[in-house]
Amino acid sequence: DAGVTQSPTHLIKTRGQQVTLRCSPKSGHDTVSWYQQALGQGPQFIFQYYEEEERQRGNFPDRFSGHQFPNYSSELNVNALLLGDSALYLCASSNRGSNQPQHFGDGTRLSIL
Amino acid sequence: GQQLNQSPQSMFIQEGEDVSMNCTSSSIFNTWLWYKQEPGEGPVLLIALYKAGELTSNGRLTAQFGITRKDSFLNISASIPSDVGIYFCAGYPPGGSQGNLIFGKGTKLSVKP
Repeated sequence: DAGVTQSPTHLIKTRGQQVTLRCSPKSGHDTVSWYQQALGQGPQFIFQYYEEEERQRGNFPDRFSGHQFPNYSSELNVNALLLGDSALYLCASSNRGSNQPQHFGDGTRLSIL
Repeated sequence: GQQLNQSPQSMFIQEGEDVSMNCTSSSIFNTWLWYKQEPGEGPVLLIALYKAGELTSNGRLTAQFGITRKDSFLNISASIPSDVGIYFCAGYPPGGSQGNLIFGKGTKLSVKP
């Protein structure tokens, strides 16, 4: 039973560039959430997708956008990268419904130079 | 915004000792989740709690959903070196936020053999 998989594992970009991160949910899950985890902090919610639409959004600017595909996989896009975007980006999947536990992938470590 | 306060921030214990950590909030939560994160990996779900007063175990781990719905506790009995990691509490606040998991800043556990 495959868990949540994310790619790439590491990425280095420069300021102003854009980046796309990918996520495949755990088998049987239809909902994908994205989180940003800065060093020494807990994950911060970016947004959640199900039925191919953004359903909830945290306090992140429009530079952060996403997509969900019919097979439930998802992408996170970040435009006009800033130094402060350097972080671990985590994808979590769950079943749709109230208070479902979320299962996380190992993340993509994004470094901005 | 809503915040979860975890304590202690870090713990240094001897192998075999029991560990207690807690998480508090200024507002009530509907669900409490406890995760463990090791270096280079994503958070792994340990225990999920859904009702006030609920006590749930997972091996040597036991967690409780506080009666006030504003706190939760995690205990680890007879610690071993592989318990090392950062333990995060997370919760869903009431109000229909199905995706927005709120995380604490974590408790870093070190175990001396």
